Amino acid sequence: GQQVMQIPQYQHVQEGEDFTTYCNSSTTLSNIQWYKQRPGGHPVFLIQLVKSGEVKKQKRLTFQFGEAKKNSSLHITATQTTDVGTYFCAKREWGYSTLTFGKGTMLLVSP
Amino acid sequence: KAGVTQTPRYLIKTRGQQVTLSCSPISGHRSVSWYQQTPGQGLQFLFEYFSETQRNKGNFPGRFSGRQFSNSRSEMNVSTLELGDSALYLCASTSTDTQYFGPGTRLTVL
Repeated sequence: GQQVMQIPQYQHVQEGEDFTTYCNSSTTLSNIQWYKQRPGGHPVFLIQLVKSGEVKKQKRLTFQFGEAKKNSSLHITATQTTDVGTYFCAKREWGYSTLTFGKGTMLLVSP
Repeated sequence: KAGVTQTPRYLIKTRGQQVTLSCSPISGHRSVSWYQQTPGQGLQFLFEYFSETQRNKGNFPGRFSGRQFSNSRSEMNVSTLELGDSALYLCASTSTDTQYFGPGTRLTVL
């Protein structure tokens, strides 16, 4: 089936550094969603992007959807220890609630 | 509103046994999806139910089944458990475009 590829798999940063995770698809996406899962927790919805070139911000988090709707990124400015977790992108199948997830990027932030 | 609840939270079974997991969605949500999460395969879609009907199914063997009741609560069943079925099983209920995940059931197969 159609996959979404996510890189990097893992990133370790010092508190205050920036962080970016990328999500790529070989086919055009109708939408992309981002989730965060804290260690021992469950995925929590962050945002959905649907428009070509869309950029949305949530405090220190910036989400982008590529012009061709084949890639997306999540950028965190000045990471904090509370940002620790795994960030997943996911595409929702049109007409369904079904999500196809990327493998996720695990973020570790050292104080 | 109360969140998505899943029971039990932890379960230990042996190979060959069967297991039933339960999910109660957020009140008013009619769509429930199930996912399996493992370190190797990540989050994989199992099935989706809407108004008691299976609307979509992932690529899992027939040992995995599910159902949804008239009150939107859902159950999934795994028969003839295998070691590889050890995973975190997550259910999610949907409102418009947002999926709300439950805490999951951690299944260990020995």
